[in-house]
This record gives sequence, C-alpha cells and structure tokens, in this order.
Amino acid sequence: GQNIDQPTEMTATEGAIVQINCTYQTSGFNGLFWYQQHAGEAPTFLSYNVLDGLEEKGRFSSFLSRSKGYSYLLLKELQMKDSASYLCAVMDSNYQLIWGAGTKLIIKP
Amino acid sequence: ETGVTQTPRHLVMGMTNKKSLKCEQHLGHNAMYWYKQSAKKPLELMFVYSLEERVENNSVPSRFSPECPNSSHLFLHLHTLQPEDSALYLCASSQVAGQGTDTQYFGPGTRLTVL
Repeated sequence: GQNIDQPTEMTATEGAIVQINCTYQTSGFNGLFWYQQHAGEAPTFLSYNVLDGLEEKGRFSSFLSRSKGYSYLLLKELQMKDSASYLCAVMDSNYQLIWGAGTKLIIKP
Repeated sequence: ETGVTQTPRHLVMGMTNKKSLKCEQHLGHNAMYWYKQSAKKPLELMFVYSLEERVENNSVPSRFSPECPNSSHLFLHLHTLQPEDSALYLCASSQVAGQGTDTQYFGPGTRLTVL
C-alpha cells in the first residue's frame, strides 16, 4: 500500500528553527509537495521537490532524498504566525496526490 | 474574487436532507477536485474533473454526487448522509490534472455536520 508518515505534533520556540520530517512509500514518484494549513483555512502551497536536494524559499526550505523516500521542511526564525499544520503529499505514478495526516506545529513565545 | 471560493462555509444537516456544496475557481484552471478532510486523517480524494469530465471517482458512496457544469464551477450534491460523513470538504483546482508539476490550489472548505 501507499503510505506517508509525518509526526502528529511538534512544539518549537519563537525565533528558533524546526525541521518537520516526512517519509513515504508510494507506487512511483512524480514529486513531493508541502502545504501549510492554518486552523479553519485552506491548505496553501509551500514547496515542490522532484529532484534530490534542498530548495530554499525565504525562511522555508524543503529537502528531498528519493533514494531514502524522505523529505523535510525546515522553518527558520519561527514566528507565531507559523503555528499551523504542515501537510506532506507525494504525487504517485498515476499523478494522484497521496497525503500525510499533517504535522501540527505549535509555536511558543 | 480571487483564488478558489466555497459556499457555504458551514453546513448542518439532518440525515434525510438534501443539500449542495458549491466551489468556484477564478484561476483559469482546467481541473477541479473534491477532498474530504477528517480530524487527524490524511486528505481523501473524492472526485477529479478535467475539462468538465470526471476522471477519478475514488469509491465514494453514491450519497455524494458531483457536478461540473463548466471548468470554473464544481458542485457536490449531498443526500441521505450519515453522521460519519461529518468533515471538512475541500475543493481544489489546478492547471491540468495528470502532470507532476501541477500544483493544486484549495478553497477554504465547507465544515459539514450531519446530525
């Protein structure tokens, strides 16, 4: 079967750095997406990785290792507004998105 | 209006009611999606439309009936629902279904409660 694993919840301090991991087992791979979802709001696109390596976008970076079936989202200089759920999704060989259950990130002052 | 909009934002219905959820995208996309999001569970893809044709139906019960009259509008018709159908229903759109770089853009969802 297809599976995406990510931690259920993480806590971090304002101004710090946090890394949210995602491991996957899917039938084929056509890219990995990270989305941010604030409570009661729409998921919003953060990043897309299809090749190995690190993609940096401001305070957020996303890393992919296809051989290990592993990705992480790195958030730097954490702000209170970063408190949200972070969703990992992999596009499989049928170009269908397989989703993780999301990681709820709590930022403390 | 920009992006993807959904109405209503909240809906409470009895098991014998019939209601419809509406989604509209203002992004010029050709593909639209319905997802179900339950607490602490992954998003479940329900239906995919590409150029107004249904291309995916992930074994969704017939009490959920989608309709896509044009590439900008998507409906989900609901009838005789069960309490376990209570969830957040999300609509999304993308430029075209079936490509790796195709990013989906989501609406804010309809919070459905079935009594």
